[in-house]
Amino acid sequence: DAGVIQSPRHEVTEMGQEVTLRCKPISGHNSLFWYRQTMMRGLELLIYFNNNVPIDDSGMPEDRFSAKMPNASFSTLKIQPSEPRDSAVYFCASSQPSGSYNEQFFGPGTRLTVL
Amino acid sequence: AQSVTQLDSHVSVSEGTPVLLRCNYSSSYSPSLFWYVQHPNKGLQLLLKYTSAATLVKGINGFEAEFKKSETSFHLTKPSAHMSDAAEYFCVVSEAGKLIFGQGTTLQVKP
Repeated sequence: DAGVIQSPRHEVTEMGQEVTLRCKPISGHNSLFWYRQTMMRGLELLIYFNNNVPIDDSGMPEDRFSAKMPNASFSTLKIQPSEPRDSAVYFCASSQPSGSYNEQFFGPGTRLTVL
Repeated sequence: AQSVTQLDSHVSVSEGTPVLLRCNYSSSYSPSLFWYVQHPNKGLQLLLKYTSAATLVKGINGFEAEFKKSETSFHLTKPSAHMSDAAEYFCVVSEAGKLIFGQGTTLQVKP
């Protein structure tokens, strides 16, 4: 298995532009998580899905952020409009059926820079 | 709510010497605890996890951690550091299917 796949790996955009980050979870995993990592706030959970359904989006910063999971093998995180403070590394992770002991497998991340 | 506190933001050791990365947790019941490692410009990788089967947990690359309920600690250790161990280490607790991360400890390994 190729692991969790994220694209793009790097994104540089200008303030006000729409940004879409993509994630392909590991086949057979039914939980998917989006995280944001910054120096100031560390790793934060933004949203997670079970069986393609959003379960908890309390970590989504504001209405400019939205996430979808149209099927079991694909998810997007969209920022519209983007702002410089959104600059961060965004990680996607997946795991087998949700449970406390289940390991989450992380993708390599997307480094977003908003100018 | 559960939480973890990593007591050191930065640890520096010499190659071949022991490693100790400290983590305390806060939980009202028996927690699920993990250690993840992040190498520069990489994603996170699971080192080990505590699942209540044994208090001493062995992980990859020679790391291990001991769950001590009386001290609410889950410290990560390795007998002999290698240069390739230089990375960021996260102590993590699971709550309702979500992972809650500590602030991380940067491990520096000097030759």
